[in-house]
Amino acid sequence: RKEVEQDPGPFNVPEGATVAFNCTYSNSASQSFFWYRQDCRKEPKLLMSVYSSGNEDGRFTAQLNRASQYISLLIRDSKLSDSATYLCVVTMNTGGFKTIFGAGTRLFVKA
Amino acid sequence: EAGVVQSPRYKIIEKKQPVAFWCNPISGHNTLYWYLQNLGQGPELLIRYENEEAVDDSQLPKDRFSAERLKGVDSTLKIQPAELGDSAVYLCASSLGSASGRPFDEQFFGPGTRLTVL
Repeated sequence: RKEVEQDPGPFNVPEGATVAFNCTYSNSASQSFFWYRQDCRKEPKLLMSVYSSGNEDGRFTAQLNRASQYISLLIRDSKLSDSATYLCVVTMNTGGFKTIFGAGTRLFVKA
Repeated sequence: EAGVVQSPRYKIIEKKQPVAFWCNPISGHNTLYWYLQNLGQGPELLIRYENEEAVDDSQLPKDRFSAERLKGVDSTLKIQPAELGDSAVYLCASSLGSASGRPFDEQFFGPGTRLTVL
């Protein structure tokens, strides 16, 4: 089992739709969680950190469920410009600092 | 403020040849990372530096890969000899590290070097 797993998609949604991605992690010692966005042939960029209480940034909402070991990303009112790959990132300190990236979920928003 | 700079952006070599990638992190960032990313996959860590010290090189294939960050600023990743399976994008990232006061902080990525081994 991979340490961080994501549904690769692709998710094809119309503009204005709401779409949600989940990411599961296997190590209960995981401490910090992030969502990164990666456009085609570009570098990853931080979208948002994920806090235990959940957090929102405009149309984006991230949530953490430690009991079930997953994080989620909700995008409301999808825009064409949201089309990208969304990478789940989990960090942990298990006798040494470790950062694991998921393989990403591809999103296509169409007009 | 300049971001993470990497060069070259593209490199095509024949197998068994050596190749080197260069990275200049964001000024003031103590932590530097080298990642490998294959198509359809997330970045995989090769090595992490805290200043000039390699604190995690457990995933670096040391028989052919080497890296250095001599003055704790810019870094070089080398492959010698390259194999067909090394074709990938090599990403460099940096973060504030201990200077941020947080155990884990945002990583800023460079544009990457796309390596093709023929």
